[in-house]
Amino acid sequence: EIVLTQSPGTLSLSPGERATLSCRASQSVSNSYLAWYQQKPGQAPRLLYGASSRATGIPDRFSGSGSGTDFTLTISRLEPEDFAVYYCHLYGSSPPWTFGQGTKVEIK
Amino acid sequence: QVQLLQSGDEVKKPGASVRVSCKATGYTFSSYGISWVRQAPGQGLEWMGWISPYSGNTNYAELLQGRVTMTTDTSTNTAYMELRSLRSDDTAVYYCARGPYYYDSHGYYRAGMGSDYWGQGTLVTVSS
Repeated sequence: EIVLTQSPGTLSLSPGERATLSCRASQSVSNSYLAWYQQKPGQAPRLLYGASSRATGIPDRFSGSGSGTDFTLTISRLEPEDFAVYYCHLYGSSPPWTFGQGTKVEIK
Repeated sequence: QVQLLQSGDEVKKPGASVRVSCKATGYTFSSYGISWVRQAPGQGLEWMGWISPYSGNTNYAELLQGRVTMTTDTSTNTAYMELRSLRSDDTAVYYCARGPYYYDSHGYYRAGMGSDYWGQGTLVTVSS
């Protein structure tokens, strides 16, 4: 089973700053896909990015990159509504489809 | 519009079973897989498994094998997740979500961007 490790656990930033979130896989995921979700307290997760594409309605300040074992979600300029928990998620032809443990982006 | 409407919160005793339903509207139900994800209080997301309404094929998380069954009813566009032999650490919010796999207009099975629509969540509390 591939393990996804997200870092940092918590990111303390101010509105307007750039956020860089990392997701590292325990082995290459070249035959799978990597998605990113945002979750706010009391809400279901929201798909941000997957299979190298931004989901419908997601602002272009969110971007994803990476391949192999290292993936990054970048928020170019944090807006107040972006402070939340972010999860990476692996899915593909070979389950299980695991989640990272999450990165909390909090207001500094 | 696409919606996934889940059944209400449940309180169960250890050893009991729970069945959560997820009714889909606004799209062709059989064309998209349904994933189930749970989240224990204050914890992260845990993938439970996936089912294809079209084929009935399932994939379950290894930790839940033998205790979980996912099914669909295409006549009512509803997905079900049953978890048996409940324990206190099964206390969580359970979500259904559309995707990530789907059948395109040519009938090919494809990976989408992820799970793009989610139910509102069902809190299952296991307590004696």
